[in-house]
Amino acid sequence: DQQVKQNSPSLSVQEGRISILNCDYTNSMFDYFLWYKKYPAEGPTFLISISSIKDKNEDGRFTVFLNKSAKHLSLHIVPSQPGDSAVYFCAASESGSARQLTFGSGTQLTVLP
Amino acid sequence: DAGITQSPRHKVTETGTPVTLRCHQTENHRYMYWYRQDPGHGLRLIHYSYGVKDTDKGEVSDGYSVSRSKTEDFLLTLESATSSQTSVYFCAISELGVNFGYTFGSGTRLTVV
Repeated sequence: DQQVKQNSPSLSVQEGRISILNCDYTNSMFDYFLWYKKYPAEGPTFLISISSIKDKNEDGRFTVFLNKSAKHLSLHIVPSQPGDSAVYFCAASESGSARQLTFGSGTQLTVLP
Repeated sequence: DAGITQSPRHKVTETGTPVTLRCHQTENHRYMYWYRQDPGHGLRLIHYSYGVKDTDKGEVSDGYSVSRSKTEDFLLTLESATSSQTSVYFCAISELGVNFGYTFGSGTRLTVV
């Protein structure tokens, strides 16, 4: 039973437009959420995170939104660039869990020139 | 990432043979993790370590064992490899105060034939 779900395996957007990647979770004990980006033949790299005490965190072109009541978070990329094409993983953790992360299945983002 | 290396990068082995994957870090981070990545499942935690000789099981630990005799090295052993263990294996490191941001290695692609 997946506790972190990314229901869209793939997403295509035009360069310059907004990319919105979604993630849902079921464990109400999760209190920290992260997004990772992964290129082929490389390990995932940390992108942005948000604590459950916030509902928004912004870092340049990347913004993560958290809706705790809906157990939903999203990653917005504006504007999207071809170099953003990668697999994006949502991850979640709960305090006192030895810093374990539970990952979603990933969304392949393709930004078309 | 320069602070974490995995070896080997690729391995093909036969069913029933033992296999050991190595993760080496130069960051002196306390926490180390082994994940496997499979299509449709994202990244799933196999085992993790919170210090030298301190390890615990993750979500998919059956068929795997780990050892950490030094801070810098975390070994993952498949005692008797099976075809279901064909996967890409990622090691990650983490430290307190780093907001759960893991640093991942580049991965080991293991094929069990």
